[in-house]
Amino acid sequence: QVQLQESGPGLVKPSETLSLTCTVSGGSISSYYWSWIRQPPGKGLEWLGYIYYTGSTTYNPSLQSRVSISLSSSKNQFSLKLTSVTAADTALYYCARTVSGFYYFDYWGQGTLATVS
Amino acid sequence: DIQLTQSPSFLSASVGDRVTITCRASHHIGISLAWYQQKPGKAPKLLIYTASTLQTGVPSRFSGSGSGTEFTLTISSLQPEDFATYNCQQLNSYPLTFGGGTKVEIK
Repeated sequence: QVQLQESGPGLVKPSETLSLTCTVSGGSISSYYWSWIRQPPGKGLEWLGYIYYTGSTTYNPSLQSRVSISLSSSKNQFSLKLTSVTAADTALYYCARTVSGFYYFDYWGQGTLATVS
Repeated sequence: DIQLTQSPSFLSASVGDRVTITCRASHHIGISLAWYQQKPGKAPKLLIYTASTLQTGVPSRFSGSGSGTEFTLTISSLQPEDFATYNCQQLNSYPLTFGGGTKVEIK
């Protein structure tokens, strides 16, 4: 059974960089896309972007200048960096496996709350 | 961006009820739609993809239908464990987007 677990600081100062890591267990990071999705308190879900196991990335244009996703196959991990954060970036951040060719999310992490303050 | 509008945003129902949730897309998306169930403190769970394909392990009381711009998620007989928030997601074009959610609560 594939499992994903987010990790990273829960508190980030305004204007700094939010960094989160997702560790994948129970399966290889190869042959899939891997996404970051967030949910601000009381609001809907927002897809931030994904990385393919080859390293190619696609980002949400609304955040493209501030977001980057990277991957470590050897560690079975992928990571999110979001620069110049503001209070509007306070959210529950999820990592998720994204099915190739269809782009729905079949496995999700439990989410980690990142607060900008 | 493709906007997804879910209705209702909130519904109150009883165990055993038939429940239908609608998701409308701002542009035609074929059958490129997925549905998720989300419970407080838990990871979202994939229920249905490509509008009507049931994810492995999801009970058959859940079904999806629709194409183009209008889609529905139906729960044929609501069970206690089904009280949750349901979200649709379009798979058709970037950026991938979600509906605003429908919260199903106990009447």
